[in-house]
Amino acid sequence: KAGVTQTPRYLIKTRGQQVTLSCSPISGHRSVSWYQQTPGQGLQFLFEYFSETQRNKGNFPGRFSGRQFSNSRSEMNVSTLELGDSALYLCASSPLSSESTDTQYFGPGTRLTVL
Amino acid sequence: GENVEQHPSTLSVQEGDSAVIKCTYSDSASNYFPWYKQELGKRPQLIIDIRSNVGEKKDQRIAVTLNKTAKHFSLHITETQPEDSAVYFCAASIRAGANNLFFGTGTRLTVIP
Repeated sequence: KAGVTQTPRYLIKTRGQQVTLSCSPISGHRSVSWYQQTPGQGLQFLFEYFSETQRNKGNFPGRFSGRQFSNSRSEMNVSTLELGDSALYLCASSPLSSESTDTQYFGPGTRLTVL
Repeated sequence: GENVEQHPSTLSVQEGDSAVIKCTYSDSASNYFPWYKQELGKRPQLIIDIRSNVGEKKDQRIAVTLNKTAKHFSLHITETQPEDSAVYFCAASIRAGANNLFFGTGTRLTVIP
């Protein structure tokens, strides 16, 4: 099976702009989680989608949002970008369970730089 | 929320020696504990995981132990090789049915040939 894919891989934006990142999970996986990775804060959970519904949300401001489509592909959006939003954004997909925590497989990430 | 602490932050070992990385977690409801390896510029790769109903799990040179009472778990790598050099992250999941991982701060392992 093909792995988790993310587009674009690199992105440069300026403060105040908005950005949309895309994640395609492994075929058959219904859960998609998003994480932000920075040198200072490490890996932090943003949110998780399962069957097009946001199932859990981390401690990030409302500028960070996401959605999931019927084919399980997911997008995340960051509005009014700040310099501190510069990070590697990783998505991870999990197989199918709605009742237990599943193994997560990460995509290559999108490197966002905010100038 | 869950808080995962990881030690040490850096670790250097001679090739062939063993490496041990330790993590503690705060929420006794956590029930899933994966370990990821991240090489420079690459995605985190799952290397082993353990669930709360198991005390130890082994996969070739890699093993993980879990002590639920003390709320800590450890990664053991034996017969280390230069290709084991990477950053290792532990994580804990606080709630069944929700794929949200709380990560430790990472350990940079360097295996010296």
